[in-house]
Amino acid sequence: DTGVSQNPRHKITKRGQNVTFRCDPISEHNRLYWYRQTLGQGPEFLTYFQNEAQLEKSRLLSDRFSAERPKGSFSTLEIQRTEQGDSAMYLCASSYTGGAYGYTFGSGTRLTVV
Amino acid sequence: QKEVEQNSGPLSVPEGAIASLNCTYSDRGSQSFFWYRQYSGKSPELIMFIYSNGDKEDGRFTAQLNKASQYVSLLIRDSQPSDSATYLCAATSGTYKYIFGTGTRLKVLA
Repeated sequence: DTGVSQNPRHKITKRGQNVTFRCDPISEHNRLYWYRQTLGQGPEFLTYFQNEAQLEKSRLLSDRFSAERPKGSFSTLEIQRTEQGDSAMYLCASSYTGGAYGYTFGSGTRLTVV
Repeated sequence: QKEVEQNSGPLSVPEGAIASLNCTYSDRGSQSFFWYRQYSGKSPELIMFIYSNGDKEDGRFTAQLNKASQYVSLLIRDSQPSDSATYLCAATSGTYKYIFGTGTRLKVLA
């Protein structure tokens, strides 16, 4: 088990393009989370999956954002029609329990929209 | 709005000293509290969690929780230059979501 894996590590895209990020959680973890972190801020919650069910989606996630976790394994986060304000580090985390004992974060995907 | 507040720093301490990092939270319903360390350009790494009032020690790190005062702290003993990083405090909001503070930047001076 190599921890939570995120791809790509970095993504530079032009405004208006669509991007998709992938997260592979720790294999025995059934809970998966996406957070977004901008410079000088703490991570902000975006969405949560328990197995394949998306149980909560933050108001931060506009209609341009969609996340999936088919078959309760890896997850993807897609951003359509990217805007400069979407530039951030997108962090995926997983846990076995509901988060009472801490998440394990992946290395993140840094998105730059130009 | 549920918040976690931290002094952004930087907090500078000499090598070998004790670094004291503090955090307050607004949601009295928060059950668990976490300290994450984040090096520049890297993702957060869990150092400790605490959910009972009092102290919890792990090696050079001690977390302290006072629910009456809604206050969490992290002490780092024998600080090393490699401890220089941003330390994020987080509190649970509900059963699975975390609210993070903006982090305190720690500099350990050799």
